[in-house]
Amino acid sequence: DAEITQSPRHKITETGRQVTLACHQTWNHNNMFWYRQDLGHGLRLIHYSYGVQDTNKGEVSDGYSVSRSNTEDLPLTLESAASSQTSVYFCASRKDSRTGELFFGEGSRLTVL
Amino acid sequence: GDSVTQMEGPVTLSEEAFLTINCTYTATGYPSLFWYVQYPGEGLQLLLKATKADDKGSNKGFEATYRKETTSFHLEKGSVQVSDSAVYFCALSDRSTGKLIFGQGTTLQVKP
Repeated sequence: DAEITQSPRHKITETGRQVTLACHQTWNHNNMFWYRQDLGHGLRLIHYSYGVQDTNKGEVSDGYSVSRSNTEDLPLTLESAASSQTSVYFCASRKDSRTGELFFGEGSRLTVL
Repeated sequence: GDSVTQMEGPVTLSEEAFLTINCTYTATGYPSLFWYVQYPGEGLQLLLKATKADDKGSNKGFEATYRKETTSFHLEKGSVQVSDSAVYFCALSDRSTGKLIFGQGTTLQVKP
């Protein structure tokens, strides 16, 4: 079955370190998204991509970057982790903007000490 | 910009009670509207959707009607079960950018 997987599921790191969260989907979806989920804020969009070599900033993109070198993967990189980036991160994908429905991964819990 | 506002939780109900979770939106144009559900320890999954005014989305006993005149998309269920305990998110899809914008989420706790 096609799916979307995130790794690692849990990570603890230290302030200032670089961290990369992986997201891989096997649906051949064009659109991919990264959200963070924090209590009281719901889901906030970090970055998104509508196809290979396309990346766009969301509402909370500072301190994060993404790259889209193929259809299947959209890794999220924290260049220099900060405690404010402690959160649960969700990757999602969909075929295209017309379908609307997003398919979510199970999340990656990141703790920055 | 576009936004979604949900009633704050947590909402605590007894089994078989009637559920309403309010959701209102602000958008230019005519967005598609969604309800997603998140069970503990899992990612979000689509519960139901509506793509135009007066459409009713339904799934697993849940319903929501797209009301353009009140810019609302309230989630209802006639008789909740303990297994419905989860976080519910209302969302809209911006037709011009394709981005999904989520509300804050409402936690539902159903007690036996």
